[in-house]
Amino acid sequence: SQKIEQNSEALNIQEGKTATLTCNYTNYSPAYLQWYRQDPGRGPVFLLLIRENEKEKRKERLKVTFDTTLKQSLFHITASQPADSATYLCALYGGATNKLIFGTGTLLAVQP
Amino acid sequence: DAGVIQSPRHEVTEMGQEVTLRCKPISGHNSLFWYRQTMMRGLELLIYFNNNVPIDDSGMPEDRFSAKMPNASFSTLKIQPSEPRDSAVYFCASSLERAGFTSGYGYTFGSGTRLTVV
Repeated sequence: SQKIEQNSEALNIQEGKTATLTCNYTNYSPAYLQWYRQDPGRGPVFLLLIRENEKEKRKERLKVTFDTTLKQSLFHITASQPADSATYLCALYGGATNKLIFGTGTLLAVQP
Repeated sequence: DAGVIQSPRHEVTEMGQEVTLRCKPISGHNSLFWYRQTMMRGLELLIYFNNNVPIDDSGMPEDRFSAKMPNASFSTLKIQPSEPRDSAVYFCASSLERAGFTSGYGYTFGSGTRLTVV
């Protein structure tokens, strides 16, 4: 069955460092991969979208890579700030389901 | 635009009661989605509409769940009768286009309705 895996353990990093979050998937050939941010008590907020034929996408301090051979996406936040602390969700679209399917998210905590 | 608006924000109800959750999508968006989020299962897609027409309701857990979209600016998700295992946060989301993402944008989510069935 299709599976999206994100590290369930919280990622704790120091302010100013680069945070790297991982999204792995199996039994899936997504056409698009997206990253969302979710704060407590709020809905997910769209951050970035990357297509299957793209290797990398950047937006300000954010960078996403997409390796369809490894079936993996990496999400980087450079010069991290305490305000970046949140849960980050990976979502895939495409294949047989034609639905946007979410991973369970990784909690990022940036310490001042 | 005020974004996707959901109501109520919190709902506490007794088992067996009917619950209706409401959603107003962003004006101009033609696709609407209902998701449910729990600690155990994460975000699950329940149903989605394109141009007010239900396209796929395979994620609706049981016949107790139903959803409608009578017009482009309003949708409801109803649970009748409700059960304790329905307790979750229910999100509504909308987008410009369901499948293409050609515009480079994802979904816009509302703030959710936290449902507690006791």
